[in-house]
Amino acid sequence: QVQLQESGPGLVKPSQTLSLTCTVSGGSINSGGYYWTWFRQHPGKGLEWIGYIYYSGSTNYNPSLKSRVTISIDTSKNQFSLRLSSVTAADTAVYYCAREDYDASDYYVDYWGQGTLVTVSS
Amino acid sequence: DIQMTQSPSSLSASVRDRVTITCRASQSVSRFLNWYQQTPGKAPKLLIHAASSLQSAVSSRFSGSGSGTDFTLTISSLQPEDFATYYCQQSYSTPRTFGQGTKLEI
Repeated sequence: QVQLQESGPGLVKPSQTLSLTCTVSGGSINSGGYYWTWFRQHPGKGLEWIGYIYYSGSTNYNPSLKSRVTISIDTSKNQFSLRLSSVTAADTAVYYCAREDYDASDYYVDYWGQGTLVTVSS
Repeated sequence: DIQMTQSPSSLSASVRDRVTITCRASQSVSRFLNWYQQTPGKAPKLLIHAASSLQSAVSSRFSGSGSGTDFTLTISSLQPEDFATYYCQQSYSTPRTFGQGTKLEI
């Protein structure tokens, strides 16, 4: 059973960089067929896709966040990470890491982390 | 970006009711459409992928249909644990986008 767990500071000051790590267990991150993904959900709101990384290191980001986002992968630790720079209060949200499975005709998120609330405040 | 619009935004129903939630895409997404269920304080849970494929271990009272721009999620006989918020998501292109959610209330 694959499990994902987010970790990182729950409080970040405005203008600083938000950094989160997702640790994957029960399966190797260093295999094809999956996109390792970050989402966020503002309090009481819907879901927003931040971007994903493939095991090879190739990335795809939401254009609305692209200038501030970096997703990286450490296959030796079975982890992938999110960095979001120049944060403001509008970046306060629950952040989820997840695995998107894909084949030729289907892409879907089958495993999610439990989510971690990150608050941007001085 | 592909815009996803769900209706209704909220829905009141009773146990054993049959309910249908609709999702419309701003352009064709073929059958690259997924449905998720989310309860308060929890991560979303995949119910349906590829418009109509039931995810493993999900109850058969959930079903999905549609293609192109119009999709539906049907719950055949509501159970107490089904009262939650439901989201559609297109996986046809990036950025992946979600509907605004449908809150199903007792």
